[in-house]
Amino acid sequence: DSGVTQTPKHLITATGQRVTLRCSPRSGDLSVYWYQQSLDQGLQFLIQYYNGEERAKGNILERFSAQQFPDLHSELNLSSLELGDSALYFCASSVVGNNSPLHFGNGTRLTVT
Amino acid sequence: DQQVKQNSPSLSVQEGRISILNCDYTNSMFDYFLWYKKYPAEGPTFLISISSIKDKNEDGRFTVFLNKSAKHLSLHIVPSQPGDSAVYFCAASAGTASKLTFGTGTRLQVTL
Repeated sequence: DSGVTQTPKHLITATGQRVTLRCSPRSGDLSVYWYQQSLDQGLQFLIQYYNGEERAKGNILERFSAQQFPDLHSELNLSSLELGDSALYFCASSVVGNNSPLHFGNGTRLTVT
Repeated sequence: DQQVKQNSPSLSVQEGRISILNCDYTNSMFDYFLWYKKYPAEGPTFLISISSIKDKNEDGRFTVFLNKSAKHLSLHIVPSQPGDSAVYFCAASAGTASKLTFGTGTRLQVTL
C-alpha cells in the first residue's frame, strides 16, 4: 500500500461530460502529481502541485484542470470529454527534494463512451 | 518525441535466471533515473534509482547500471522469481525526481 488514495477506481461516462478525479497523498507529502496512461503507452505527466500551488505543467489539455486544497488532497477535473480521454489516471505524491521517488496510487480508470 | 525508450515490450525468463531490462534515453539533461514495477490493477511501485554521478546501484536482487555515454540504463534481477512478473517502467528526470518521463514499459514474465 503506497499510502496514496485515489477515488473512484472506475468511471464510465459519455462524451461531452465532465468528471472529477480525487487524490489523497501520503501523510506528510506536500507534492501531488497527475499522470495519464493511455493504452500501451507510458505514463504521461500532466501537472504537479506543491502545497497548494501549481509547480509544473506537462502535456495537459486545456479541457483539463487540477487543484490542490489546503488539506493537500487534489482533484483533477476533465471536461468536454472525448473518446480519446479514456485512460488510466494516476496520482502520485512525494516529499519534494533530495530526489525522493514518487509514490503512486492505484489509479482511476476512465472510460468515455 | 519519446525521450525514454524501452524497446522490448516483453521478456520471458526462467525462474532462477537473470532478467535484464533495458532502457535508452535521448535527453542529455536527465540526471536521475528510476525503475518502477507495476502489477495489474495497481499503481507503479518504486523499485530502485540511480543518480548520474554513479554507474551502478544495488538493492538486494536488483541492480541498475547506467552508461551515460551510451545514454543507456539496464535493470538486472538476479535470481528472477515468479513474483517478479510485472510490467517494468524506466523513468528519468532532469534536476529533481519530479516530472518524471516514463518509457512505455517492458512486461516481464518469470516462468517456472
